[in-house]
Amino acid sequence: DGGITQSPKYLFRKEGQNVTLSCEQNLNHDAMYWYRQDPGQGLRLIYYSQIVNDFQKGDIAEGYSVSREKKESFPLTVTSAQKNPTAFYLCASSILGEKLFFGSGTQLSVL
Amino acid sequence: GQQVMQIPQYQHVQEGEDFTTYCNSSTTLSNIQWYKQRPGGHPVFLIQLVKSGEVKKQKRLTFQFGEAKKNSSLHITATQTTDVGTYFCAGPGSGGSNYKLTFGKGTLLTVNP
Repeated sequence: DGGITQSPKYLFRKEGQNVTLSCEQNLNHDAMYWYRQDPGQGLRLIYYSQIVNDFQKGDIAEGYSVSREKKESFPLTVTSAQKNPTAFYLCASSILGEKLFFGSGTQLSVL
Repeated sequence: GQQVMQIPQYQHVQEGEDFTTYCNSSTTLSNIQWYKQRPGGHPVFLIQLVKSGEVKKQKRLTFQFGEAKKNSSLHITATQTTDVGTYFCAGPGSGGSNYKLTFGKGTLLTVNP
């Protein structure tokens, strides 16, 4: 089945720790995205990548980093600089900026 | 920056009643997309509207794009329990790029059977 796989489903971060969220897609989409969702809030864009080896900051990139070494993969690292990391993180992909296909998300919490 | 406001934030209805959520943008949009997120799930694309005054229907769902392309609505006729979820609208962000969608905060619909 084609789709987007996010792992892990739940993740806990200790203070001062960097953690990496995985996102893999087999839809052959060029563009990939990371969104953050807080309770009762809409989705806010962290980073996006239109093509391999290129990515752009979204609206709330501070404290996060990404890489796009392969078309299928777009991992997100939540660094220790992100002081309020507790949120639901959604990865998505699309063809040429069209409709978004989302993964099932990762819930990140702080210990 | 560009903002997308969505109202109401919450709506509780009895099964069989109608439901409408509204989306308003501070700027003219080239297009608008709607997504549905079931409780505990992830957003799923419903539709994209592009033309001024466009109306599209999907079974009991009716989507409209305003004449000025600054507002949109989603109307559900005769709600069912399967309609429960949060409905989001999203428009292109600054620069008009669909790669930087701006999402509204969503309307959470609950349906009493």
